[in-house]
Amino acid sequence: ETGVTQSPTHLIKTRGQQVTLRCSSQSGHNTVSWYQQALGQGPQFIFQYYREEENGRGNFPPRFSGLQFPNYSSELNVNALELDDSALYLCASRQTGNNEQFFGPGTRLTVL
Amino acid sequence: AQSVTQLDSQVPVFEEAPVELRCNYSSSVSVYLFWYVQYPNQGLQLLLKYLSGSTLVKGINGFEAEFNKSQTSFHLRKPSVHISDTAEYFCAVSPMDSNYQLIWGAGTKLIIKP
Repeated sequence: ETGVTQSPTHLIKTRGQQVTLRCSSQSGHNTVSWYQQALGQGPQFIFQYYREEENGRGNFPPRFSGLQFPNYSSELNVNALELDDSALYLCASRQTGNNEQFFGPGTRLTVL
Repeated sequence: AQSVTQLDSQVPVFEEAPVELRCNYSSSVSVYLFWYVQYPNQGLQLLLKYLSGSTLVKGINGFEAEFNKSQTSFHLRKPSVHISDTAEYFCAVSPMDSNYQLIWGAGTKLIIKP
């Protein structure tokens, strides 16, 4: 059984640029959530996707957007990058109705 | 709104000694409760969870936690720690009406002294 995978592992961007992060959910999981974890802090919920639609969103501006594909993989897009967007971005997947989320290793984004 | 407070940012403890990591939460609705562990350079792994029933829950690697509704706490304990328990531990809550969205504490680093 393949776990949650994320790509890339590390990324460096400059302020104002756009970035796309990718996540492949665990086999059999149809719900994907994204979290931002700043250094020294706990994760913050960004949004959740189910059946290719966003069905929950945290306190993040619209320049954070996402997609879910028919195979349940997902993308997180961030436009107009700011220095404060530097963080570890975590993807988690689960089966709908099941409360246990399985996390990927994360993508470390650095904005200069 | 919900919030989670982990009262200690770091907890140093000698190997084979007991440890307690504290977690308090605030919520206007009923919540599910979780503890996750994050080893260096790895993703988050579920240690244990409380959904309903017995307030004492047992998890992986010998950890257990007790839900105290009156004190809105969910402290994590282990009777004897090992060097391999060195990691950061996160407490999280999920409001029952939120489709399992997680709200997290800031984490507690467990430092095992030989």
